[in-house]
Amino acid sequence: EPEVTQTPSHQVTQMGQEVILRCVPISNHLYFYWYRQILGQKVEFLVSFYNNEISEKSEIFDDQFSVERPDGSNFTLKIRSTKLEDSAMYFCASSEGRAGNTIYFGEGSWLTVV
Amino acid sequence: AQSVTQLGSHVSVSEGALVLLRCNYSSSVPPYLFWYVQYPNQGLQLLLKYTTGATLVKGINGFEAEFKKSETSFHLTKPSAHMSDAAEYFCAVSERGNAGNMLTFGGGTRLMVKP
Repeated sequence: EPEVTQTPSHQVTQMGQEVILRCVPISNHLYFYWYRQILGQKVEFLVSFYNNEISEKSEIFDDQFSVERPDGSNFTLKIRSTKLEDSAMYFCASSEGRAGNTIYFGEGSWLTVV
Repeated sequence: AQSVTQLGSHVSVSEGALVLLRCNYSSSVPPYLFWYVQYPNQGLQLLLKYTTGATLVKGINGFEAEFKKSETSFHLTKPSAHMSDAAEYFCAVSERGNAGNMLTFGGGTRLMVKP
């Protein structure tokens, strides 16, 4: 069964460093997402991406964050200058369409900022 | 703004017993409704969803959920728990017509199954 793959599975970075989390969405999907889950808290929406542009973003997704689809298969999340509070599990996801379509999640990238 | 409440962050049942995980949502218009499961060290996997039509929805692994508009609920049930059902379960909603297909999650319920 097709799946969303994410790399790295775990990354430790120093505060202030830039981090790029990578994702390969399911190949025929058109919508891409990033969610995060801080330890012990809810899964939170960060951003959705369609047709090479952001379609929706949350308040969390400030200027420190950016997303990109650099080629036909990868979807990346960049955090420009990491803070301690960015430590979380980051989930990439994709769907064929919007509004009611099933969103398929990757296994997550665990980011630890020290 | 939408919100999702899952009553009980931890639920413990005996193997073979009924599983009931509660989910209530707050939304002016009935949203799309989802249940996801997360096994240890894995991603979120869709169990079932309600978009339209029959309000009792059957999913994978013997789970089902019923959308009750009057109660703004979408509780998840399974008649007989297995040890393999031990996991964290998340209820989520998505607003109809939402351009970005954003999911709003509940806090999750960790299901423990005792032998």
